[in-house]
Amino acid sequence: TQLLEQSPQFLSIQEGENLTVYCNSSSVFSSLQWYRQEPGEGPVLLVTVVTGGEVKKLKRLTFQFGDARKDSSLHITAAQPGDTGLYLCAGDSNYQLIWGAGTKLIIKP
Amino acid sequence: SAVISQKPSRDICQRGTSLTIQCQVDSQVTMMFWYRQQPGQSLTLIATANQGSEATYESGFVIDKFPISRPNLTFSTLTVSNMSPEDSSIYLCSGKQGANRETQYFGPGTRLLVL
Repeated sequence: TQLLEQSPQFLSIQEGENLTVYCNSSSVFSSLQWYRQEPGEGPVLLVTVVTGGEVKKLKRLTFQFGDARKDSSLHITAAQPGDTGLYLCAGDSNYQLIWGAGTKLIIKP
Repeated sequence: SAVISQKPSRDICQRGTSLTIQCQVDSQVTMMFWYRQQPGQSLTLIATANQGSEATYESGFVIDKFPISRPNLTFSTLTVSNMSPEDSSIYLCSGKQGANRETQYFGPGTRLLVL
């Protein structure tokens, strides 16, 4: 059974602080996606990383794909209350999408 | 991209009854999926909805409990049959344009409470 371990599961920090969310697996993924979900809505795709070692930036969010394509991280700089939500990683392996457990992020003003 | 809508957005149902959830996509998608999600938790894939044929179910999910239809490339339904309180959850529809499962677009979900 393929697993994608996501950590932390819950994080509550003050506005302006930095944070990193991790997704780790023993499996190799052809790509990995990060989604953000707000209450009452479906997940919305933030980014897809494909190449080992790839780094993508989306404003204050930095996404990195591990060299071996087994892990990924999401780093948020100077978090803002609008960043609050559930962050999900999902790895594509053999046309099967493997989901992380999710990180519930709360940014306090 | 694709915009996905679901009906109903929420419902409260009695034990033993059935509920059909509709999923409509504004453009053609090659693949459609149905997920279940507990609030604040990750997604569990129920099945892949196949156009014109029986859905492909994941381990732990069966057609008798979750019959699925997909009559065309933009519409699908999921029925939760003979409901029990354990079926209380958020049910999400998603669509994928392309050959593999990356970059899925999700509907807003249907929040179901079974009493």
